[in-house]
Amino acid sequence: GEDVEQSLFLSVREGDSSVINCTYTDSSSTYLYWYKQEPGAGLQLLTYIFSNMDMKQDQRLTVLLNKKDKHLSLRIADTQTGDSAIYFCAERTGGQNFVFGPGTRLSVLP
Amino acid sequence: DTGVSQDPRHKITKRGQNVTFRCDPISEHNRLYWYRQTLGQGPEFLTYFQNEAQLEKSRLLSDRFSAERPKGSFSTLEIQRTEQGDSAMYLCASSLDRAPGELFFGEGSRLTVL
Repeated sequence: GEDVEQSLFLSVREGDSSVINCTYTDSSSTYLYWYKQEPGAGLQLLTYIFSNMDMKQDQRLTVLLNKKDKHLSLRIADTQTGDSAIYFCAERTGGQNFVFGPGTRLSVLP
Repeated sequence: DTGVSQDPRHKITKRGQNVTFRCDPISEHNRLYWYRQTLGQGPEFLTYFQNEAQLEKSRLLSDRFSAERPKGSFSTLEIQRTEQGDSAMYLCASSLDRAPGELFFGEGSRLTVL
């Protein structure tokens, strides 16, 4: 079945880079997404990558996709306290369903 | 800015009561999704509409749950005979039916069953 896994916690110092990792199981996934959830707020799309791409860069965000290993990562450069949130990896499967991981709670220490 | 809106934001009910949540999607979005999120978990898919047609339902959606989208605009999710295990955040999201088709989420409706 479809499954998305992430490590649950990550702690970094302000100004360092954060790398959040995700593995997924459905090789037919067409798009993979990263969402951010701040306390009391809805999920907000950060970025996405098409499955035939290896990398996508968007300002401080870099997404790397290793399709062979079904591994996705999100790198946040120069991490700020405002980046503290829960980050969800999601895959869009062959149907229209989106499968989300459990989320990685990023804590940014001053 | 008319994003996805959900109502009510928080509902407290007693076990056995019925509850209904409403979702108003972004107006030009023809796809509408319901998800459930419990503490420490990612959103779990419940059901999805393309316009007014309910095209997919999760096995999580027991017969106590029913969702409608009568005119292809707003949607309702009703839970009958609520149980304590139904306590969760119910999330609505909408999207366009073209790539990349990303979901736009509302802030959710939190259900607490006593």
